Amino acid sequence: EDKVVQSPLSLVVHEGDTVTLNCSYEVTNFRSLLWYKQEKKAPTFLFMLTSSGIEKKSGRLSSILDKKELFSILNITATQTGDSAIYLCAVESEGAQKLVFGQGTRLTINP
Amino acid sequence: DTAVSQTPKYLVTQMGNDKSIKCEQNLGHDTMYWYKQDSKKFLKIMFSYNNKELIINETVPNRFSPKSPDKAHLNLHINSLELGDSAVYFCASSLAGGTQYFGPGTRLLVL
Repeated sequence: EDKVVQSPLSLVVHEGDTVTLNCSYEVTNFRSLLWYKQEKKAPTFLFMLTSSGIEKKSGRLSSILDKKELFSILNITATQTGDSAIYLCAVESEGAQKLVFGQGTRLTINP
Repeated sequence: DTAVSQTPKYLVTQMGNDKSIKCEQNLGHDTMYWYKQDSKKFLKIMFSYNNKELIINETVPNRFSPKSPDKAHLNLHINSLELGDSAVYFCASSLAGGTQYFGPGTRLLVL
């Protein structure tokens, strides 16, 4: 069965700090890994990663995938209070048409 | 313009009742999904429909019956509600193999 494990489950830092969130996975016929940010409502899409070693970047957020070691990291630099959220990692396998989610990392940024 | 919308946003009901949640997407996607998010924020796939056809049914009790009248709609009907059904239900949509976009969620509380 496909499995996604995120760490840490919870993280509290001060504004301006840099954080790294981890996601490891076991999946048959890997297709893609996705990161979502969930505040109060719907998970909102951040990144989709399909190839190893290619960094995806959006402002202060970046993510990279290692398909050999089966993990991904999400980096947030110069954190702001608005980055406080649950960050969800999910994987999709070929032909599966479903996402398998990890437990999420609850990130809290204190002023 | 709401991309994926769900109604109602909140639903409070008694055990044993039957209720429905509606989902609509205006993104032109051909695949729609229902996910359940429990109190620990763990998101799990329930159903997936592609072009109105059921693709995935993940060991969900048959009290849950999805219905897709057309590609833009996927409704979820729940019979004989139980306490354990209390959760947030998210609808999502995608083009087959593409990024999934989530609706705002329906918070269901069964008393």
